[in-house]
Amino acid sequence: NAGVTQTPKFRILKIGQSMTLQCTQDMNHNYMYWYRQDPGMGLKLIYYSVGAGITDKGEVPNGYNVSRSTTEDFPLRLELAAPSQTSVYFCASSYDGRASNQPQHFGDGTRLSIL
Amino acid sequence: GQQVMQIPQYQHVQEGEDFTTYCNSSTTLSNIQWYKQRPGGHPVFLIQLVKSGEVKKQKRLTFQFGEAKKNSSLHITATQTTDVGTYFCAGPANDYKLSFGAGTTVTVRA
Repeated sequence: NAGVTQTPKFRILKIGQSMTLQCTQDMNHNYMYWYRQDPGMGLKLIYYSVGAGITDKGEVPNGYNVSRSTTEDFPLRLELAAPSQTSVYFCASSYDGRASNQPQHFGDGTRLSIL
Repeated sequence: GQQVMQIPQYQHVQEGEDFTTYCNSSTTLSNIQWYKQRPGGHPVFLIQLVKSGEVKKQKRLTFQFGEAKKNSSLHITATQTTDVGTYFCAGPANDYKLSFGAGTTVTVRA
């Protein structure tokens, strides 16, 4: 059971470039989340999804886009990379039911640097 | 929206000593969760508390949910080097998402 898988693990981008961070889970969870974690800081929610075809903004959505075409996959898109987006990105998922009562399962993260 | 506040932000502990980290909310929480993130790792779920006044133990870790369900604490006894990391509490922000505290980062002096 792989759980939540994120790719790539590391990436360096130039300012203005675009990329997609991949996230897939094999637990059949409906709820999925994207967080960013700046050095020495907590987790900030970027976007989340309560099921295929449904997404919503979190605390810090500017500069990002998401899609959820399947239950398993929840990619995060950076369109015009900026230095302020240098961070570690975590994808997470949680079981059905009232999602705020369920533990979240995190991927290993993608460490992204924008230079 | 609902936010949870954690104190202290940093905790430097001598190996073998005890310490406590605290989590506070301005609103009543239906539940509170605790996660641990090792250096360079990802957050890992530790425990969930649901009932008022609930106390749960995991070996040397004791988790408590306040009577008013607005605060929680994590107490670690006889700290070991394996306890190094950041401990986050999280409470429901709505039905679909959690609000994470800023975390308490623990370092241990051998």
